[in-house]
Amino acid sequence: DAKTTQPPSMDCAEGRAANLPCNHSTISGNEYVYWYRQIHSQGPQYIIHGLKNNETNEMASLIITEDRKSSTLILPHATLRDTAVYYCIVGTPSFISNFGNEKLTFGTGTRLTIIP
Amino acid sequence: DAGVIQSPRHEVTEMGQEVTLRCKPISGHDYLFWYRQTMMRGLELLIYFNNNVPIDDSGMPEDRFSAKMPNASFSTLKIQPSEPRDSAVYFCASSQDKPPYGYTFGSGTRLTVV
Repeated sequence: DAKTTQPPSMDCAEGRAANLPCNHSTISGNEYVYWYRQIHSQGPQYIIHGLKNNETNEMASLIITEDRKSSTLILPHATLRDTAVYYCIVGTPSFISNFGNEKLTFGTGTRLTIIP
Repeated sequence: DAGVIQSPRHEVTEMGQEVTLRCKPISGHDYLFWYRQTMMRGLELLIYFNNNVPIDDSGMPEDRFSAKMPNASFSTLKIQPSEPRDSAVYFCASSQDKPPYGYTFGSGTRLTVV
């Protein structure tokens, strides 16, 4: 039972900002939004996560709508190395969950292709 | 930090044989997860441990699969007997109960059962 909906694929020109949308209309109050990516043949890589405030780190920015029903991952200056499958996941981290709710369920993600 | 280390990177075995996949999590991480990835089913969580104790094994496909974590620095996933439909990439990941909270995945083991 997928908790998130993402477009199956997107293209973005190299050097431009890549904006990846995610819908999570059934998100509950203590669930966070996580983003991971998987570059071909590698293990998934954690990017960023957030609860309700916008977040930024060295890799990306995460914009969460006020109603928390959707979010956007922004890669500010996409490079060819950003070509990957990007997964948006909702889940409850262990520090606030009831014991046993720590697992993250991956959906099908968005295949992002950066065009030279 | 060497990250999450999995071995072997590739395994080819004949149907019916026993297969053991190994994982060394990042030192200090409290959680260890085993995932399987196929084209048809994507990334599936098989089992996860907290402080070496199995918490949720509902994703383990059947009794042929078993996982152990004898100590904080080592885990195994065993398939006995193996079948062609077990062919997949198996990932191990670990995480900790404090920032940063994201999972760190290993490079995976590509299993082919012929």
